[in-house]
Amino acid sequence: DTGVSQDPRHKITKRGQNVTFRCDPISEHNRLYWYRQTLGQGPEFLTYFQNEAQLEKSRLLSDRFSAERPKGSFSTLEIQRTEQGDSAMYLCASSLPLRGSRPYEQYFGPGTRLTVT
Amino acid sequence: GENVEQHPSTLSVQEGDSAVIKCTYSDSASNYFPWYKQELGKGPQLIIDIRSNVGEKKDQRIAVTLNKTAKHFSLHITETQPEDSAVYFCAATYTGANSKLTFGKGITLSVRP
Repeated sequence: DTGVSQDPRHKITKRGQNVTFRCDPISEHNRLYWYRQTLGQGPEFLTYFQNEAQLEKSRLLSDRFSAERPKGSFSTLEIQRTEQGDSAMYLCASSLPLRGSRPYEQYFGPGTRLTVT
Repeated sequence: GENVEQHPSTLSVQEGDSAVIKCTYSDSASNYFPWYKQELGKGPQLIIDIRSNVGEKKDQRIAVTLNKTAKHFSLHITETQPEDSAVYFCAATYTGANSKLTFGKGITLSVRP
């Protein structure tokens, strides 16, 4: 297992365009989290899934954002009608292995850096 | 909700010296406190964590201490090396719910060779 992967690593888009990011969690991790990180700040929680169910969304997640996790495996985060304020690093993390002694540890992927011009 | 504050914002030490990074949290329900190291262009890497039923935990050159009464926890790095230079984040959460992490703003540690 190679850890959490995210694709693409970088995305440059023009204001008003739609973008979609993908996250592949560590296999058998049934919790998946999305965070957003802006320059000089710590990651901020956006939303999380337990298996395929999206159980919580932050106030930061406006109506232009939507996330899915079909079949409880990979997840996608879509931003519609992007704005310059959406420019940030979007991080994915997974946790809670079905078996094991460390159920709370969240492991992060490398992130997708979004630049909206 | 939880609020995590981290200070100082930058720290510079000489190689071989110790570094201490302190964080405070606001929610007494928080019971899990991880520390992450983030290098430029990479995602945060979990380096050590502590649960509220433990006061101290050590892993080679790094250790974390927790004071539940004062609601603060600290990361200690001994015998610092240039490769320890990075941004370090503390975080807190209550594991009985969604376990979403609330992060501090991070501290940039520079280890001078």
